Amino acid sequence: DGGITQSPKYLFRKEGQNVTLSCEQNLNHDAMYWYRQDPGQGLRLIYYSQIVNDFQKGDIAEGYSVSREKKESFPLTVTSAQKNPTAFYLCASRQGTGGRLNTEAFFGQGTRLTVV
Amino acid sequence: AQSVTQLDSHVSVSEGTPVLLRCNYSSSYSPSLFWYVQHPNKGLQLLLKYTSAATLVKGINGFEAEFKKSETSFHLTKPSAHMSDAAEYFCVVSAITGGGNKLTFGTGTQLKVEL
Repeated sequence: DGGITQSPKYLFRKEGQNVTLSCEQNLNHDAMYWYRQDPGQGLRLIYYSQIVNDFQKGDIAEGYSVSREKKESFPLTVTSAQKNPTAFYLCASRQGTGGRLNTEAFFGQGTRLTVV
Repeated sequence: AQSVTQLDSHVSVSEGTPVLLRCNYSSSYSPSLFWYVQHPNKGLQLLLKYTSAATLVKGINGFEAEFKKSETSFHLTKPSAHMSDAAEYFCVVSAITGGGNKLTFGTGTQLKVEL
């Protein structure tokens, strides 16, 4: 089945440690996104990538890093510089956009990160 | 720049009564608009999308939304609420920015359905 897989579903880390969240898609989509979700704040964009080997900062990129070495993979690293990393993280992908604005995003099931 | 405002953070309705979730948008470019639903601790599922083909858009599970350019609104409605509709709903705008094609989310509306 085609879709987006985020792993793990739950992740616990000690403060000061870097942690990498996995996101894989087999939809052959060009664009991929990482969002952070906190109660009452909706989804906020961390990073996005329109094409392999290229990515852009979103609205809250500080303390995060990404790579896009393969079309199907877009891992997110939460670094120790992120002041409040405990949150629900959602990955999404979208068909190659370019000038097309009407393609919907498909979402993974999310990773809940808790830093203690 | 683009933005989305969901006018109600919480909406409560009785089962069988109509649902109205309000969304206003701002975009310097002709946007595409979407409504997504999220059940607790799950990913997001697309309900419907507006892509300039028709102003009244029908989605899944009996939901629909009307695009009103003059009011910059894209409100979500359903004639009769069901208990299974209880979830969080997000209005989303998509438009080209300098760095590419971004999706911007509203802060969400929590829908509660009571017996």
